[in-house]
Amino acid sequence: QKEVEQDPGPLSVPEGAIVSLNCTYSNSAFQYFMWYRQYSRKGPELLMYTYSSGNKEDGRFTAQVDKSSKYISLFIRDSQPSDSATYLCAMSRAGAGNNRKLIWGLGTSLAVNP
Amino acid sequence: NAGVTQTPKFQVLKTGQSMTLQCAQDMNHEYMSWYRQDPGMGLRLIHYSVGAGITDQGEVPNGYNVSRSTTEDFPLRLLSAAPSQTSVYFCASSYSSLANEQFFGPGTRLTVL
Repeated sequence: QKEVEQDPGPLSVPEGAIVSLNCTYSNSAFQYFMWYRQYSRKGPELLMYTYSSGNKEDGRFTAQVDKSSKYISLFIRDSQPSDSATYLCAMSRAGAGNNRKLIWGLGTSLAVNP
Repeated sequence: NAGVTQTPKFQVLKTGQSMTLQCAQDMNHEYMSWYRQDPGMGLRLIHYSVGAGITDQGEVPNGYNVSRSTTEDFPLRLLSAAPSQTSVYFCASSYSSLANEQFFGPGTRLTVL
């Protein structure tokens, strides 16, 4: 079983829809949770970064962490064609050493249709 | 700032050839890393460095060497290229020892025939 599971999609939605992207994980030691966005033929870029449980909002994006269920989500409100990309979840443990290795999901491909 | 730069953008090698993928960053980041990205496999860490003179292996280090003589540069060497090393290679850097926020380069697309 992979430490981080992410449905690869593809996910196709109409412009303006609310998008929900999810990852599950098996290791309860994960404390840091990230969402990266990767446009086609580009490198990933950090979109959202949360520590431990709870919600974090940034404009149209909301990241949720539910540590009791080992489940994280990224919500995109009023989705735009420019949101079409692959979304990668990543997570890491607290403490020295292992912090320097992120554990990545495979990414979910999202297409927002005008 | 140019951020993280990688050269070349594309490369085709024959089996057994060697080459070096270049990576440089101008953000004075201590942490740098190399990933490969393959369909169905996601991003996999090859090697990483927490500062000049310090490197360590990641998840898939076999067939690759790295060195870190300066803060800015972190080259990745393929010793004897194999078709299994056909991939997209990304270099990344981070200002934090946690390395949770990583800045990625544009990638190098490598094909080994």
